[in-house]
Amino acid sequence: GQSLEQPSEVTAVEGAIVQINCTYQTSGFYGLSWYQQHDGGAPTFLSYNALDGLEETGRFSSFLSRSDSYGYLLLQELQMKDSASYFCASRPRNQGGKLIFGQGTELSVKP
Amino acid sequence: DAGVTQSPTHLIKTRGQQVTLRCSPKSGHDTVSWYQQALGQGPQFIFQYYEEEERQRGNFPDRFSGHQFPNYSSELNVNALLLGDSALYLCASSSATSDYEQYFGPGTRLTVT
Repeated sequence: GQSLEQPSEVTAVEGAIVQINCTYQTSGFYGLSWYQQHDGGAPTFLSYNALDGLEETGRFSSFLSRSDSYGYLLLQELQMKDSASYFCASRPRNQGGKLIFGQGTELSVKP
Repeated sequence: DAGVTQSPTHLIKTRGQQVTLRCSPKSGHDTVSWYQQALGQGPQFIFQYYEEEERQRGNFPDRFSGHQFPNYSSELNVNALLLGDSALYLCASSSATSDYEQYFGPGTRLTVT
């Protein structure tokens, strides 16, 4: 089976950098995705790591280390609008397009 | 270009009733997945449809069933509703060649009383 663990809450100030970690236990997966969800809204795709290393997309970067069963999402130059829940999700091998989500990390950005 | 749309946005049902939720995928997408999200939790995979067939199923009872139509739109049916079925039901669409990037609709908030 698969399970992903994330911190439940993170707080940071505007303009700062924050890292949201995701540790996982899996029997095999294609890659790790990150989604953002504002209160009551739809999750939106942020980033995907199929290979180990860093993927950069604007202010957001994501990292994966399969040997450490660990990944993280890095948010730079934090803005108030970044306050939201962030989910890591794995796509297990041989299970079609099924995504398994972590419990989510609620990020609060303070002025 | 319309994204993923879902209907209705909110629904209130009584225990034991049946409900049908609808989803239209993003233009160009052929795969639809359904997720259940309880308050404060991550989305839980219910099932995925591709080419009008159920391609993969999560750990949900047979009371949860679905369908995909030739135009790729999809329905989620839940029979014999329980209080515990109260949740946000999310539909996500993707292309079969890039399942890792799923586009989610705004969801249907189902309340069972």
